[in-house]
Amino acid sequence: AQKVTQAQTEISVVEKEDVTLDCVYETRDTTYYLFWYKQPPSGELVFLIRRNSFDEQNEISGRYSWNFQKSTSSFNFTITASQVVDSAVYFCALSEGKANSKLTFGKGITLSVRP
Amino acid sequence: GAVVSQHPSWVICKSGTSVKIECRSLDFQATTMFWYRQFPKQSLMLMATSNEGSKATYEQGVEKDKFLINHASLTLSTLTVTSAHPEDSSFYICSARLRVATGELFFGEGSRLTVL
Repeated sequence: AQKVTQAQTEISVVEKEDVTLDCVYETRDTTYYLFWYKQPPSGELVFLIRRNSFDEQNEISGRYSWNFQKSTSSFNFTITASQVVDSAVYFCALSEGKANSKLTFGKGITLSVRP
Repeated sequence: GAVVSQHPSWVICKSGTSVKIECRSLDFQATTMFWYRQFPKQSLMLMATSNEGSKATYEQGVEKDKFLINHASLTLSTLTVTSAHPEDSSFYICSARLRVATGELFFGEGSRLTVL
């Protein structure tokens, strides 16, 4: 069975601070995908990144960066120089590498960025 | 890019009535769609997997007679909450997978149901 653990529930930072959101996953599959989604107060899910299990390269996209470590089964997300608009709930998710596999979500981390 | 659209985005109904939520893939064909439910300040919980032309696969604990799912075409799946009760009030989100299994899912905007 797959499982995603986001141990942090709420994080509050001051604007311009860096913040790291942790994600630890469990799966028995060798092929799987990891995702991060942002859910602003409006409710829609905004796709941030997808990483397959064979690609351990870290990725940077603007102020966002992701650190994928298979050895620790972690896929952490860092926001540098945080902004108020980053305030949202962030979900880490996992899916197996099969055709109709479902997405398993973590419980989400509520990030509040104060001006 | 690919877009998944849900309708209605919000609905209020009386207890005992049925409500239908539509999920459409606008510019791609989706053989598989997923329906999630999210209670306030909680995570998304998968309710069922909807496959075009066949019966939906429901997760444990989800009543298939209460949450009717129909995936009649490659671009449309519907979720009908039958005889809705206040405890069914929730945020329902659908997602669609491209025909070629890439692992990438696209999410609808969500539908907020309030049952009075």
